[in-house]
Amino acid sequence: NAGVTQTPKFQVLKTGQSMTLQCAQDMNHEYMSWYRQDPGMGLRLIHYSVGAGITDQGEVPNGYNVSRSTTEDFPLRLLSAAPSQTSVYFCASSEPAGDFTDTQYFGPGTRLTVL
Amino acid sequence: AQKVTQAQTEISVVEKEDVTLDCVYETRDTTYYLFWYKQPPSGELVFLIRRNSFDEQNEISGRYSWNFQKSTSSFNFTITASQVVDSAVYFCALSEVNTNAGKSTFGDGTTLTVKP
Repeated sequence: NAGVTQTPKFQVLKTGQSMTLQCAQDMNHEYMSWYRQDPGMGLRLIHYSVGAGITDQGEVPNGYNVSRSTTEDFPLRLLSAAPSQTSVYFCASSEPAGDFTDTQYFGPGTRLTVL
Repeated sequence: AQKVTQAQTEISVVEKEDVTLDCVYETRDTTYYLFWYKQPPSGELVFLIRRNSFDEQNEISGRYSWNFQKSTSSFNFTITASQVVDSAVYFCALSEVNTNAGKSTFGDGTTLTVKP
């Protein structure tokens, strides 16, 4: 199993450009999430999905779109990049375990710089 | 709303010292998970432990131990006989029950530096 994969690892954008961060998992997990990590801070939830075709907003959704057409993939789209979106982005997946969500598996992260 | 507080921003110790990282959480739920993750300088997130709210037993794994106390809403992490390889940022996180699947609230992290 590759686990959770993210591409690209690094990206530099100019203000106003758009791009898609890719995330894929091969564990057949139902749940997937996107987080951003700013310097000196913990991870903050951007969007999450509880299954194909179902997405919802997290704590900091503005400026980002997501879709979940398959169980495996959960791309994050930046519509018009802004310097405030400079961050490290982590994708995670997990599986329900009874009444609890099981452990989240994180991808290696994408380091995004917006000039 | 749930919240996780890691009051210690940075800790520096000398190798072989014991060190405790504090984590205090807030949640209205009676059922939840608590986690600790390690983020080494390479940047990936390494899962260390998961504890559910019904299990207050302390856990030991090698040099690592965790103390969960619901009465004080704390889930502290102790490294015994620290080593240079323990240098990393450590995050405490909280997940509510299955209705909020795939969501965790993270603390801001504690940067641990272990000096030789």
